[in-house]
Amino acid sequence: RKEVEQDPGPFNVPEGATVAFNCTYSNSASQSFFWYRQDCRKEPKLLMSVYSSGNEDGRFTAQLNRASQYISLLIRDSKLSDSATYLCVVTLTDSWGKLQFGAGTQVVVTP
Amino acid sequence: ETGVTQTPRHLVMGMTNKKSLKCEQHLGHNAMYWYKQSAKKPLELMFVYSLEERVENNSVPSRFSPECPNSSHLFLHLHTLQPEDSALYLCASSQDTSGGETQYFGPGTRLLVL
Repeated sequence: RKEVEQDPGPFNVPEGATVAFNCTYSNSASQSFFWYRQDCRKEPKLLMSVYSSGNEDGRFTAQLNRASQYISLLIRDSKLSDSATYLCVVTLTDSWGKLQFGAGTQVVVTP
Repeated sequence: ETGVTQTPRHLVMGMTNKKSLKCEQHLGHNAMYWYKQSAKKPLELMFVYSLEERVENNSVPSRFSPECPNSSHLFLHLHTLQPEDSALYLCASSQDTSGGETQYFGPGTRLLVL
Protein backbone atom coordinates (compact mmCIF):
# COMPACT_ATOMS: atom_id res chain seq x y z
CA ARG A 1 0.00 0.00 0.00
CA LYS A 2 1.31 3.46 -0.89
CA GLU A 3 2.05 5.68 2.08
CA VAL A 4 0.31 8.66 0.51
CA GLU A 5 -2.38 8.15 -2.12
CA GLN A 6 -3.98 10.66 -4.40
CA ASP A 7 -6.43 10.54 -7.30
CA PRO A 8 -4.20 11.47 -10.25
CA GLY A 9 -7.03 13.21 -12.10
CA PRO A 10 -7.10 15.22 -14.23
CA PHE A 11 -9.88 17.24 -12.69
CA ASN A 12 -11.21 19.45 -15.48
CA VAL A 13 -12.77 22.50 -13.88
CA PRO A 14 -14.56 25.41 -15.57
CA GLU A 15 -13.17 28.79 -14.61
CA GLY A 16 -15.01 30.11 -11.57
CA ALA A 17 -16.13 26.70 -10.36
CA THR A 18 -15.17 24.91 -7.16
CA VAL A 19 -13.06 21.77 -7.08
CA ALA A 20 -12.14 19.54 -4.17
CA PHE A 21 -10.01 16.46 -3.82
CA ASN A 22 -8.62 14.27 -1.09
CA CYS A 23 -5.45 12.50 -0.16
CA THR A 24 -5.19 9.50 2.15
CA TYR A 25 -2.17 8.52 4.23
CA SER A 26 -1.37 5.16 5.75
CA ASN A 27 0.73 5.99 8.81
CA SER A 28 -1.39 7.03 11.77
CA ALA A 29 1.72 8.56 13.37
CA SER A 30 1.93 11.18 10.63
CA GLN A 31 2.33 14.53 12.29
CA SER A 32 2.54 17.35 9.76
CA PHE A 33 0.57 17.81 6.59
CA PHE A 34 1.02 20.06 3.60
CA TRP A 35 -0.22 20.78 0.14
CA TYR A 36 2.46 21.64 -2.41
CA ARG A 37 1.78 22.86 -5.91
CA GLN A 38 3.86 21.86 -8.93
CA ASP A 39 3.45 23.58 -12.27
CA CYS A 40 4.38 21.73 -15.44
CA ARG A 41 8.16 21.21 -15.62
CA LYS A 42 8.74 23.32 -12.52
CA GLU A 43 9.70 22.56 -8.94
CA PRO A 44 7.18 21.95 -6.14
CA LYS A 45 6.27 24.96 -4.01
CA LEU A 46 4.46 25.03 -0.71
CA LEU A 47 0.82 26.00 -1.13
CA MET A 48 -0.28 25.69 2.47
CA SER A 49 0.17 23.74 5.65
CA VAL A 50 -2.81 21.80 6.93
CA TYR A 51 -3.80 22.25 10.56
CA SER A 52 -5.98 20.02 12.71
CA SER A 53 -8.73 22.60 12.89
CA GLY A 54 -8.70 23.19 9.16
CA ASN A 55 -7.45 26.38 7.60
CA GLU A 56 -8.16 28.73 4.78
CA ASP A 57 -5.88 30.83 2.61
CA GLY A 58 -7.85 32.99 0.25
CA ARG A 59 -9.70 30.71 -2.17
CA PHE A 60 -8.00 27.59 -0.80
CA THR A 61 -9.33 25.58 2.13
CA ALA A 62 -7.55 22.58 3.64
CA GLN A 63 -9.03 20.07 6.04
CA LEU A 64 -7.52 17.24 8.08
CA ASN A 65 -9.43 14.18 9.22
CA ARG A 66 -7.16 12.18 11.50
CA ALA A 67 -9.76 9.51 12.26
CA SER A 68 -10.09 8.60 8.60
CA GLN A 69 -6.53 9.57 7.77
CA TYR A 70 -7.15 11.93 4.93
CA ILE A 71 -6.62 15.55 4.07
CA SER A 72 -8.52 17.57 1.55
CA LEU A 73 -8.04 20.67 -0.55
CA LEU A 74 -10.86 22.81 -1.88
CA ILE A 75 -10.35 25.56 -4.42
CA ARG A 76 -13.13 28.11 -4.84
CA ASP A 77 -13.65 30.43 -7.79
CA SER A 78 -11.02 28.60 -9.85
CA LYS A 79 -8.66 30.67 -11.96
CA LEU A 80 -6.81 29.58 -15.07
CA SER A 81 -3.60 30.03 -13.08
CA ASP A 82 -4.74 27.33 -10.65
CA SER A 83 -3.98 24.71 -13.30
CA ALA A 84 -1.22 22.60 -11.77
CA THR A 85 -0.50 19.34 -10.03
CA TYR A 86 -1.26 19.43 -6.31
CA LEU A 87 0.98 17.27 -4.16
CA CYS A 88 -0.15 15.93 -0.82
CA VAL A 89 2.72 15.73 1.67
CA VAL A 90 2.93 14.22 5.16
CA THR A 91 5.76 13.92 7.64
CA LEU A 92 6.44 11.90 10.76
CA THR A 93 8.05 13.25 13.89
CA ASP A 94 11.72 12.40 14.31
CA SER A 95 11.98 11.62 10.62
CA TRP A 96 14.90 13.90 9.73
CA GLY A 97 12.54 16.14 7.79
CA LYS A 98 11.52 13.29 5.53
CA LEU A 99 8.53 14.31 3.46
CA GLN A 100 6.25 11.59 2.11
CA PHE A 101 4.85 12.78 -1.19
CA GLY A 102 1.78 11.65 -3.03
CA ALA A 103 2.02 11.35 -6.80
CA GLY A 104 -0.17 14.41 -7.21
CA THR A 105 -3.62 15.38 -8.43
CA GLN A 106 -3.72 17.26 -11.72
CA VAL A 107 -6.17 20.14 -11.98
CA VAL A 108 -6.93 21.76 -15.33
CA VAL A 109 -9.00 24.93 -15.24
CA THR A 110 -10.66 25.69 -18.56
CA PRO A 111 -12.02 29.01 -19.88
CA GLU B 1 12.76 32.93 -6.75
CA THR B 2 13.04 30.26 -4.09
CA GLY B 3 16.64 30.94 -3.13
CA VAL B 4 17.74 27.47 -4.18
CA THR B 5 19.66 27.14 -7.43
CA GLN B 6 20.69 24.04 -9.32
CA THR B 7 23.10 23.46 -12.19
CA PRO B 8 23.01 22.20 -14.79
CA ARG B 9 19.32 22.47 -15.61
CA HIS B 10 19.56 19.76 -18.25
CA LEU B 11 22.07 16.93 -18.61
CA VAL B 12 22.48 14.13 -21.11
CA MET B 13 25.05 11.49 -20.28
CA GLY B 14 26.12 8.08 -21.37
CA MET B 15 26.22 5.14 -19.02
CA THR B 16 30.01 5.30 -18.71
CA ASN B 17 30.22 9.02 -17.98
CA LYS B 18 30.85 10.73 -14.67
CA LYS B 19 29.04 13.97 -13.94
CA SER B 20 28.06 16.06 -10.93
CA LEU B 21 24.94 17.99 -10.08
CA LYS B 22 25.29 21.12 -7.99
CA CYS B 23 22.86 22.77 -5.61
CA GLU B 24 23.28 26.01 -3.71
CA GLN B 25 20.91 27.57 -1.20
CA HIS B 26 20.98 31.24 -0.26
CA LEU B 27 18.46 30.98 2.59
CA GLY B 28 20.75 30.29 5.54
CA HIS B 29 19.19 26.86 6.06
CA ASN B 30 20.82 24.00 7.92
CA ALA B 31 19.28 21.06 6.08
CA MET B 32 19.54 20.05 2.43
CA TYR B 33 17.96 17.21 0.49
CA TRP B 34 18.19 15.36 -2.82
CA TYR B 35 14.99 14.01 -4.40
CA LYS B 36 14.32 12.03 -7.56
CA GLN B 37 11.12 12.62 -9.51
CA SER B 38 10.22 10.15 -12.24
CA ALA B 39 7.23 10.59 -14.52
CA LYS B 40 3.88 9.95 -12.81
CA LYS B 41 5.60 8.86 -9.58
CA PRO B 42 5.88 10.54 -6.21
CA LEU B 43 9.03 12.38 -5.32
CA GLU B 44 11.52 9.95 -3.81
CA LEU B 45 13.82 11.17 -1.07
CA MET B 46 17.41 10.16 -1.75
CA PHE B 47 19.62 11.87 0.84
CA VAL B 48 19.28 14.23 3.78
CA TYR B 49 22.05 16.42 5.15
CA SER B 50 21.81 18.28 8.43
CA LEU B 51 24.61 20.70 9.25
CA GLU B 52 26.74 19.07 6.55
CA GLU B 53 26.32 15.61 8.04
CA ARG B 54 24.43 12.95 6.11
CA VAL B 55 21.57 11.79 8.32
CA GLU B 56 19.63 9.68 5.86
CA ASN B 57 20.49 7.55 2.88
CA ASN B 58 17.25 6.21 1.53
CA SER B 59 18.59 2.96 0.04
CA VAL B 60 20.10 4.74 -2.92
CA PRO B 61 22.48 2.78 -5.23
CA SER B 62 26.14 3.58 -4.82
CA ARG B 63 26.33 4.99 -8.35
CA PHE B 64 24.84 8.12 -6.71
CA SER B 65 27.29 9.76 -4.32
CA PRO B 66 26.33 12.93 -2.41
CA GLU B 67 28.71 15.51 -1.02
CA CYS B 68 27.97 18.44 1.27
CA PRO B 69 31.10 20.58 1.75
CA ASN B 70 29.23 23.25 3.70
CA SER B 71 25.67 24.10 4.69
CA SER B 72 25.06 26.11 1.50
CA HIS B 73 26.25 23.62 -1.10
CA LEU B 74 25.22 20.12 -2.01
CA PHE B 75 26.51 17.94 -4.82
CA LEU B 76 25.34 14.70 -6.35
CA HIS B 77 28.10 12.81 -8.11
CA LEU B 78 26.93 10.42 -10.81
CA HIS B 79 28.82 7.50 -12.34
CA THR B 80 27.90 4.46 -14.42
CA LEU B 81 24.23 5.37 -14.39
CA GLN B 82 21.48 3.31 -15.99
CA PRO B 83 18.75 4.50 -18.39
CA GLU B 84 16.17 4.04 -15.61
CA ASP B 85 17.99 6.76 -13.66
CA SER B 86 16.68 9.31 -16.15
CA ALA B 87 14.50 11.65 -14.11
CA LEU B 88 14.21 15.12 -12.62
CA TYR B 89 16.61 15.53 -9.69
CA LEU B 90 15.47 18.12 -7.20
CA CYS B 91 17.44 19.72 -4.43
CA ALA B 92 15.66 21.25 -1.44
CA SER B 93 16.57 23.00 1.76
CA SER B 94 14.85 23.74 5.06
CA GLN B 95 15.72 25.53 8.24
CA ASP B 96 16.25 22.22 10.02
CA THR B 97 15.07 18.62 9.89
CA SER B 98 12.35 18.86 12.51
CA GLY B 99 9.71 17.66 10.08
CA GLY B 100 7.36 20.60 10.28
CA GLU B 101 9.61 22.95 8.34
CA THR B 102 8.79 24.07 4.83
CA GLN B 103 11.17 22.71 2.23
CA TYR B 104 12.19 25.01 -0.59
CA PHE B 105 13.01 23.36 -3.87
CA GLY B 106 15.42 24.28 -6.60
CA PRO B 107 14.33 24.17 -10.25
CA GLY B 108 15.83 20.72 -10.72
CA THR B 109 18.19 19.05 -13.14
CA ARG B 110 16.48 17.08 -15.88
CA LEU B 111 18.75 14.08 -16.49
CA LEU B 112 18.68 11.76 -19.48
CA VAL B 113 20.90 8.68 -19.43
CA LEU B 114 21.51 7.09 -22.81
